Amino acid sequence: DAGVIQSPRHEVTEMGQEVTLRCKPISGHNSLFWYRQTMMRGLELLIYFNNNVPIDDSGMPEDRFSAKMPNASFSTLKIQPSEPRDSAVYFCASSLGTGRNTEAFFGQGTRLTVV
Amino acid sequence: QQQVKQSPQSLIVQKGGISIINCAYENTAFDYFPWYQQFPGKGPALLIAIRPDVSEKKEGRFTISFNKSAKQFSLHIMDSQPGDSATYFCAANRGGTASKLTFGTGTRLQVTL
Repeated sequence: DAGVIQSPRHEVTEMGQEVTLRCKPISGHNSLFWYRQTMMRGLELLIYFNNNVPIDDSGMPEDRFSAKMPNASFSTLKIQPSEPRDSAVYFCASSLGTGRNTEAFFGQGTRLTVV
Repeated sequence: QQQVKQSPQSLIVQKGGISIINCAYENTAFDYFPWYQQFPGKGPALLIAIRPDVSEKKEGRFTISFNKSAKQFSLHIMDSQPGDSATYFCAANRGGTASKLTFGTGTRLQVTL
């Protein structure tokens, strides 16, 4: 299995531009998570989906952020318009099932730089 | 609100030594405590995890100690090796919430020769 696949690995964009991050979860996994990692705040959960349905988006910082999961094998995180403070590493993770102690498998992340 | 506090922020240990990383949590509803290991340029990966019905769990050189009354848990790496150099995150979640994890701020471990 190729694991969780994220693209792009690196993204540099100018302030005000739209940014779209992509994620392909592990096949068969039915839960998907978007995390953001910064030096100041560590790893923060932004949103998670179960069976393609957003369950909890309380971590989404602002209306500028939106996430979709049109099918079981693809999810996007969009930032529009982007701001310098959005610069961070964004991780997608997936897991099998919704039971307790279910391991989350992380992708390699997308390093976003907004200048 | 920081629900999981982790210390130290960084740690330097000599090869063969013991690395100890501590975490404290506030939410008594947490009932699953994993540790994740992250190498530069990679995503976090599950290392070892514990539930509060046991006080210790050991897997190879890695041991979690858990103190429910103090709401603290720690990771011990015995016989630390240079290949253990990475950032370690403790985390916690509540039952029924799958992998909706609350992470600590991370500890950067460097094991020197």
